[in-house]
Amino acid sequence: SAVISQKPSRDICQRGTSLTIQCQVDSQVTMMFWYRQQPGQSLTLIATANQGSEATYESGFVIDKFPISRPNLTFSTLTVSNLSPEDSSIYLCSVAKGTGATTEAFFGQGTRLTVV
Amino acid sequence: GIQVEQSPPDLILQEGANSTLRCNFSDSVNNLQWFHQNPWGQLINLFYIPSGTKQNGRLSATTVATERYSLLYISSSQTTDSGVYFCAGYSNAGKSTFGDGTTLTVKP
Repeated sequence: SAVISQKPSRDICQRGTSLTIQCQVDSQVTMMFWYRQQPGQSLTLIATANQGSEATYESGFVIDKFPISRPNLTFSTLTVSNLSPEDSSIYLCSVAKGTGATTEAFFGQGTRLTVV
Repeated sequence: GIQVEQSPPDLILQEGANSTLRCNFSDSVNNLQWFHQNPWGQLINLFYIPSGTKQNGRLSATTVATERYSLLYISSSQTTDSGVYFCAGYSNAGKSTFGDGTTLTVKP
């Protein structure tokens, strides 16, 4: 299993500012991901956080808006930049352990962001 | 890419009733998990179930990989079971695709 600590758990931010979310895992993991959950919606993958290289973004998400760092195998940050009310969502960090059919995902408790 | 479809989208039960939630997934899914999202937004792992049947208390899940579906059973439902239930399918790369969820409301 994996224990994931995500900070902050919630924040209220002014539009135009940025928020950086931290994700700390209790063990080294290769696969780490960031998801967004807009109000009343399902989870959508933002990007794969790659250790030692640039993150891999999904369609519709760009590095300028969602810069990601992954300095080592236990830690990552997601920054949501130039905030607007549309960015109000829950942001979740996830790690995957195992390979192929044994892959199992674990999630942090999420960061609830409200932009005013 | 991976496709995951859940049904029904909403379910309202009286306390004590049983329910079945369904998840259909595309053939590129290697693994499947069920989650419960509580009112505070936290995702709780229920089952990691690429195939077969697992049980945990009043909850059980069955995945028939050859027919690309999974079922989540909730027996003797309680008000604390309320929330959104998600299934998620995984590719080899570990990336997951979530279904749209089933919102369960259990009334006392």
